[in-house]
Amino acid sequence: AQSVTQLDSQVPVFEEAPVELRCNYSSSVSVYLFWYVQYPNQGLQLLLKYLSGSTLVKGINGFEAEFNKSQTSFHLRKPSVHISDTAEYFCAVSQNSGGSNYKLTFGKGTLLTVNP
Amino acid sequence: GAGVSQTPSNKVTEKGKYVELRCDPISGHTALYWYRQSLGQGPEFLIYFQGTGAADDSGLPNDRFFAVRPEGSVSTLKIQRTERGDSAVYLCASSSTGSSTEAFFGQGTRLTVV
Repeated sequence: AQSVTQLDSQVPVFEEAPVELRCNYSSSVSVYLFWYVQYPNQGLQLLLKYLSGSTLVKGINGFEAEFNKSQTSFHLRKPSVHISDTAEYFCAVSQNSGGSNYKLTFGKGTLLTVNP
Repeated sequence: GAGVSQTPSNKVTEKGKYVELRCDPISGHTALYWYRQSLGQGPEFLIYFQGTGAADDSGLPNDRFFAVRPEGSVSTLKIQRTERGDSAVYLCASSSTGSSTEAFFGQGTRLTVV
């Protein structure tokens, strides 16, 4: 079984400041890792995913994340945020082998609020 | 359609009533998933379909919840004798393969049980 911990439930930042949203996971098997964004009253949109290869993953809207296997972390970063980045961000994992790679396990989410 | 479509977008029902939530996946996607997102929580897995069959329904919370996908396309999540604790956003996703790496989510149905 896997679990995901998002260490901050809320992160307020000012516009154009850098931001890091933290995610740690626990799993007894190798995993795929994901970050999703959810704007108010909308579904989940995939920001980026780590499947294999380079540990630095670049996604949409200028976001990137780094997979750190030794620390079991997958923190999301953006060097300069915009007001439009205000949203809920979810980290998720799934098993990358065997028969259960269809199931996503999500963290509780981090609300990013970008203030002018 | 271009994306995963869920109807209705909002549903308010009285405690004890029966509800049906519909999911129309991306055309050609054989895999379909239902998740439930309670207030302040991340989505939780409910059920996974591959074609017409439920390959994994281990996330359904109890026997009041049931889902079908009779023709391998549209799916309906059915909840009997609704309880206030069933209030949540129900998300549907689909993928061309049975892998989380390719899943696309719909906008969800917000269910409120009063």
